[in-house]
Parts: sequence; C-alpha cells; structure tokens
Amino acid sequence: EVVMTQSPLSLPVTLGQPVSISCRSRQSLVSREGKTYLNWFHQRPGQSPRRLIYEISDRDSGVPDRFSGSGSGIDFTLKISRVEAEDVGIYYCMQGTHWPWTFGQGTKVEIK
Amino acid sequence: EAQLVESGGGLVQPGESLRLSCAASGLNFSSNWMGWVRQAPGKGLAWVATINNDGKETYYVDSVKGRFTISRDNAKNSLYLQMNSLRVEDMAVYFCGRAGTPGSVDYWGQGSLVIVSS
Repeated sequence: EVVMTQSPLSLPVTLGQPVSISCRSRQSLVSREGKTYLNWFHQRPGQSPRRLIYEISDRDSGVPDRFSGSGSGIDFTLKISRVEAEDVGIYYCMQGTHWPWTFGQGTKVEIK
Repeated sequence: EAQLVESGGGLVQPGESLRLSCAASGLNFSSNWMGWVRQAPGKGLAWVATINNDGKETYYVDSVKGRFTISRDNAKNSLYLQMNSLRVEDMAVYFCGRAGTPGSVDYWGQGSLVIVSS
C-alpha cells in the first residue's frame, strides 16, 4: 500500500499566523486518467472528518478561502493563511489513486 | 439535508460477528461508490472496504479480507459491513462515507463504535 507521511505531527500555532502541513507519498499519485487524487480532511475531537480539499487544490463548498492545497506527484502541502480558533484539530491527507486508499498519520494543530 | 447514519456497533468478544448498517438520505445513494473507514481509539484513519454503485465491485484492505463483507441495498439506500471473526485489533469507530468524487470521500457518517473484548 502507498504510505503517506505527514509533517509535522504536532503544530502549536498562534492565532492569525500561517500554517503549512506537508504530505509525501512513496509513489506518484497521478492516476491513469492523469488526475491526482490527493485530499485533505479536518477532524475535531469526537467528530467525523470533514473534507476540505480534493484533487490537490479544489476546495469544498463552505471551506474558507484561508485554506489552500498545492503540490504534485508525491509532494503536497496544505496551507492555512491565518489560523483561527475553529481550525484546531487533526488534519489528514489521503490518497485515493491506489487501492487501498491510505491516510497520513495526521497533524494535530493546537493554539499556543 | 444530506445525511449518513451508522448503526449496529457494540461490544462483542473475539471471534464473534457484528453487522454495521449505514442509512443514507439526500445523497443520491445509488449513483455513488461507498466505503467504510475505521479509527482505532486515539489513532488515525484507515480504509476498510469500498463498493461500487451497483454492488458488483468490492475492495478490501488486506487485514479484513475473508472476514469482512461490504454490501449495499440501493432500494433501501443502505450500506452494510458484515464483520466476522472479529479481533481485538478491529476495535474502532467505523465511519461510512460516500465517494462522491473519484478518489475521495465527500460525506461522512457520525461513526459507530465497535468494541472487541473478552
């Protein structure tokens, strides 16, 4: 299976400051159709995950534009331009190109 | 309002069976692939199984092959996960999800807790 590696695993942040989370795969996530199925999810304690980003950079409806995704091939990044209190929780990347779909270990974002 | 609601979780002993259900509403269920994802206590997310829209294609992670069966009833807008020969390491919250876009999950249920303990 495709191993997804996130860094950092823990991220104490100051409100209003930018955040960057890295996600790397051990093999290319480009599908036979030429699409790259790399997703980002946010999970708050006791809640189910919520998708933020799909296909590297497409933001879901209702997701604030302070969230952005970028990258290609095996190297991807989620950025939050200015962290707000509601952004705390765990962020997971997930590849949906190769079965089984696999998640990164998660990055815990908390306010300093 | 789009909604996925899981049920059927509970406490079982190792070796026993359990069947999870996921009821969909407002989600155009029959047109979409569906799947199950689990999260062990304090751990990350892990895919378990996926099924295509008509139920004829199924995929499983190696650790559950031969023990778990994913199925669906499009007439009832329902997804199922039959779990046999349960192990302690299967203990987790099980989420159902809709693969509404290729290679992704756009809707998630609230989760159903499965406890495997003697």
